[in-house]
Amino acid sequence: DTGVSQDPRHKITKRGQNVTFRCDPISEHNRLYWYRQTLGQGPEFLTYFQNEAQLEKSRLLSDRFSAERPKGSFSTLEIQRTEQGDSAMYLCASSLQLPGPLVSSYNEQFFGPGTRLTVL
Amino acid sequence: QQQVKQSPQSLIVQKGGIPIINCAYENTAFDYFPWYQQFPGKGPALLIAIRPDVSEKKEGRFTISFNKSAKQFSLHIMDSQPGDSATYFCAARRDSGNTPLVFGKGTRLSVIA
Repeated sequence: DTGVSQDPRHKITKRGQNVTFRCDPISEHNRLYWYRQTLGQGPEFLTYFQNEAQLEKSRLLSDRFSAERPKGSFSTLEIQRTEQGDSAMYLCASSLQLPGPLVSSYNEQFFGPGTRLTVL
Repeated sequence: QQQVKQSPQSLIVQKGGIPIINCAYENTAFDYFPWYQQFPGKGPALLIAIRPDVSEKKEGRFTISFNKSAKQFSLHIMDSQPGDSATYFCAARRDSGNTPLVFGKGTRLSVIA
């Protein structure tokens, strides 16, 4: 399977614990996005990377959240001191951003299956 | 502030019917409008997308209608099938720079035989 993969698929933790999720994008995709989806809502943007550089962070990304993409390939999302309000599906997506301002960036974002986090 | 408003929240149609899902946006800088389909336990998958220089786009049984002046766009599913039962999300983004997507809240579609 050459799509976006995420690990683990499910995580149950107790409030106050730290959790880390991993995303492996489609090979050669240079953009990687993290979204959060709560029940009955659409995905909400958290942060994204161009290669290893973190380009933008949403206001949703509190100080307890940190994301990395150290070698420009896989990414990790860590949540410290989890709260019940962190319970959600965490989605990763990747895309290929072509160079040049005139090149159409009509580039599809391919989503992974998500990691469902439950904080007790 | 919700930048993309989607309706209805849920929809039930008979097999062969034509469900219509509507979205409205506020940010005039948006210039790429995709629709995603999501099945339970799966991530969203791109269904069809449109740019505002056209008013309609068809791909198979799926059609997007776009009204730039009204800042509205809609998804029509022709000859709907039980396998189309899923949650559908409209989204928008500023196409320049492949920026993150802004999603609507979703429409849960049920197609009954």
